[in-house]
Amino acid sequence: NAGVTQTPKFRILKIGQSMTLQCAQDMNHNYMYWYRQDPGMGLKLIYYSVGAGITDKGEVPNGYNVSRSTTEDFPLRLELAAPSQTSVYFCASSYSTGQGGTQYFGPGTRLLVL
Amino acid sequence: RKEVEQDPGPFNVPEGATVAFNCTYSNSASQSFFWYRQDCRKEPKLLMSVYSSGNEDGRFTAQLNRASQYISLLIRDSKLSDSATYLCAVNVRTNAGKSTFGDGTTLTVKP
Repeated sequence: NAGVTQTPKFRILKIGQSMTLQCAQDMNHNYMYWYRQDPGMGLKLIYYSVGAGITDKGEVPNGYNVSRSTTEDFPLRLELAAPSQTSVYFCASSYSTGQGGTQYFGPGTRLLVL
Repeated sequence: RKEVEQDPGPFNVPEGATVAFNCTYSNSASQSFFWYRQDCRKEPKLLMSVYSSGNEDGRFTAQLNRASQYISLLIRDSKLSDSATYLCAVNVRTNAGKSTFGDGTTLTVKP
């Protein structure tokens, strides 16, 4: 099992450019999440999904979009990148809710917007 | 007030010391509790879940106090390899498995 994989590992964008951060998991988890983590701070939830075809906003969704066409993939789209989106982005998945809801994280994508 | 708050840290302790972190949560509907460990420039990884009766895993002990709405993590006999940031996470009942994370507490264990 590869677990949760993310690509790219690192990217530099110019202001106004767009990109898609890829996330895939091979654990057949229904729940998937996107977080951003700014330096010295905790994780902020951007979007989440409870299954294929179902997505919902988290705490900080502005400037982002997601889709979930399959159980395995959960890409995050940045439109019109801004310097405020410079951050480390983590994708995570979990099997269930409750005490079984341990989240498994991908290695992260470091994004720098200049 | 933040939904989940942790001791700000940083904690700098000598090897062999015992150190404890607290994490308070504001939502009384919180159902599930976790401690994650995050090494520098890496992803968070589950350290341990926190059960109502408290649980222990080697040198690590986690406790839950529902009345006062906090969880704690105790590390005994600290090792250099324990140096990391420790994040607490709380799931609210009926919240689609979403976890709210604290900002983390950084621990540095020195020789």
